[in-house]
Amino acid sequence: SAVISQKPSRDICQRGTSLTIQCQVDSQVTMMFWYRQQPGQSLTLIATANQGSEATYESGFVIDKFPISRPNLTFSTLTVSNMSPEDSSIYLCSVVGYTDTQYFGPGTRLTVL
Amino acid sequence: GESVGLHLPTLSVQEGDNSIINCAYSNSASDYFIWYKQESGKGPQFIIDIRSNMDKRQGQRVTVLLNKTVKHLSLQIAATQPGDSAVYFCAWPPSGSARQLTFGSGTQLTVLP
Repeated sequence: SAVISQKPSRDICQRGTSLTIQCQVDSQVTMMFWYRQQPGQSLTLIATANQGSEATYESGFVIDKFPISRPNLTFSTLTVSNMSPEDSSIYLCSVVGYTDTQYFGPGTRLTVL
Repeated sequence: GESVGLHLPTLSVQEGDNSIINCAYSNSASDYFIWYKQESGKGPQFIIDIRSNMDKRQGQRVTVLLNKTVKHLSLQIAATQPGDSAVYFCAWPPSGSARQLTFGSGTQLTVLP
């Protein structure tokens, strides 16, 4: 299985600021995704990170709020912009390799004050 | 994808007993289903998957059953151990080829000594 790391693992941020979360995988993967998990809830897909092109966002998520980059097959970033307390969540990246199985990173725990 | 439900069902079992965790999915076109385990403070961990051309698949101490007629999945854990305590999610892609997962609401499994 792919080994996925995320940075930072957690952060506490002030309202109105932005945070960029990094996701690094140890092997080339076909697809990368970003999910949000609000406290005590299930996971919700934010977007598909596309290599070399704009991400594909799910309903309710927009590029201005969650800009995503994927410059190569093993790395992606998610920025949470102009944060409010409602953005306090766990943000998870996931990858799909050539076996079609989707693996998740350890998550970034964000608290917005 | 969208998450389903806001409430987290709970299941408590005695150590050594068998556990059965249930999941109802919403998309009759889905042909692939996955169970994930999420321990506190960690990202979801892949447990087992099943394709729609099967109704049962076994792994190490786990069995997944699929009933396409009623759109129902179950995860059976044999001889439940304290390390099995976690939240369990079922997930499925919204169409046959996409891998953007929709997650069920999750079940909190607590193993009692």
